[in-house]
Amino acid sequence: DGGITQSPKYLFRKEGQNVTLSCEQNLNHDAMYWYRQDPGQGLRLIYYSQIVNDFQKGDIAEGYSVSREKKESFPLTVTSAQKNPTAFYLCASSRQGGSYNEQFFGPGTRLTVL
Amino acid sequence: DQQVKQNSPSLSVQEGRISILNCDYTNSMFDYFLWYKKYPAEGPTFLISISSIKDKNEDGRFTVFLNKSAKHLSLHIVPSQPGDSAVYFCAATGSGNTGKLIFGQGTTLQVKP
Repeated sequence: DGGITQSPKYLFRKEGQNVTLSCEQNLNHDAMYWYRQDPGQGLRLIYYSQIVNDFQKGDIAEGYSVSREKKESFPLTVTSAQKNPTAFYLCASSRQGGSYNEQFFGPGTRLTVL
Repeated sequence: DQQVKQNSPSLSVQEGRISILNCDYTNSMFDYFLWYKKYPAEGPTFLISISSIKDKNEDGRFTVFLNKSAKHLSLHIVPSQPGDSAVYFCAATGSGNTGKLIFGQGTTLQVKP
């Protein structure tokens, strides 16, 4: 089945630790995105990548880092510099970043900082 | 600066009736709009979209209306079913956005049996 997988579904982290969230897609999509959802708010864009080995900051990139070494993978690292990391993180992909193509979302990872 | 706004956090309707979810935007460069549906602890799923060259797009029970002059769009669900109970997000993009979507805050729809 084609789709987007995110792992793990639930993640707990101690304050001060870095943690990496996985996102894999087998849809052969060029573009991939990371969003964060907080209660009562919409999805806010953290980082996005339109092609391999290239990525751009979104609206709330501070305290996060990404890499795009393979087309199918776009991991997100939440660093200790992120002041409020507890949130629901969503990864998405689309055929081309510059076109009007719908984004397909993964199931999400809920990160809780203890 | 909230470029896409969904001013109603929640909406409750009776099964079989019409659900109308509203969305306003401020950026006149937006020319493509999407609606997503999201269940708790899951990723959003695409529902329906509309280009700015149209004022209506219909897909089964779902219809999206676009009023460009008012910078307003709405999603109509008729008839509403209990399985439609979810959070609905409006999103917008434009030719200069390189595929980035700007999302509204979401509206929680509850359809009562």
